[in-house]
Amino acid sequence: GENVEQHPSTLSVQEGDSAVIKCTYSDSASNYFPWYKQELGKRPQLIIDIRSNVGEKKDQRIAVTLNKTAKHFSLHITETQPEDSAVYFCAAASGTYKYIFGTGTRLKVLA
Amino acid sequence: GAVVSQHPSWVICKSGTSVKIECRSLDFQATTMFWYRQFPKQSLMLMATSNEGSKATYEQGVEKDKFLINHASLTLSTLTVTSAHPEDSSFYICSARAGTYGYTFGSGTRLTVV
Repeated sequence: GENVEQHPSTLSVQEGDSAVIKCTYSDSASNYFPWYKQELGKRPQLIIDIRSNVGEKKDQRIAVTLNKTAKHFSLHITETQPEDSAVYFCAAASGTYKYIFGTGTRLKVLA
Repeated sequence: GAVVSQHPSWVICKSGTSVKIECRSLDFQATTMFWYRQFPKQSLMLMATSNEGSKATYEQGVEKDKFLINHASLTLSTLTVTSAHPEDSSFYICSARAGTYGYTFGSGTRLTVV
């Protein structure tokens, strides 16, 4: 069945350093890849997304890259700040609009 | 922007009772809503896809008779956990599609069954 693997499960970085989270998807029909940030007990919030016709997208300190051939996509956060600490989820979706979520990455930014 | 209102935000119920969770799209019509369950420190697991005016589509392993989903209007979908047991304690969250690929999540419901 459809599957999205996400690594690492936890990530600790020093404030100001960069953080990279990687996801791999199995469904070749997937063509939309959103990233969500979830703080404890709260709803996931969309932070950035990318469609399959684009290889890279950037929004200030956040960027996402997509390698369709390898079925990989990654989230890059530069100049990390303590408020970036949260759980991040990747997801993959196809024309059915059903999202398959990755297992999540708990990011800790150390001040 | 698109807003999904979910109620209640938390509920405690006794084993054997039923609990209803509501999700409403406030400023858009949602023909499709998705229901997820999230255990502590785990990912969002899709339980079912709710389609307005038709039966919900359940994911493998999800008991449709235990998790009743009703999507009677374009703005309201409900999830009823029937005969709840402690193992049903979890964070339940809905999402609705607003436009192409635009998903909005509800605020979630923390269910504790005692």
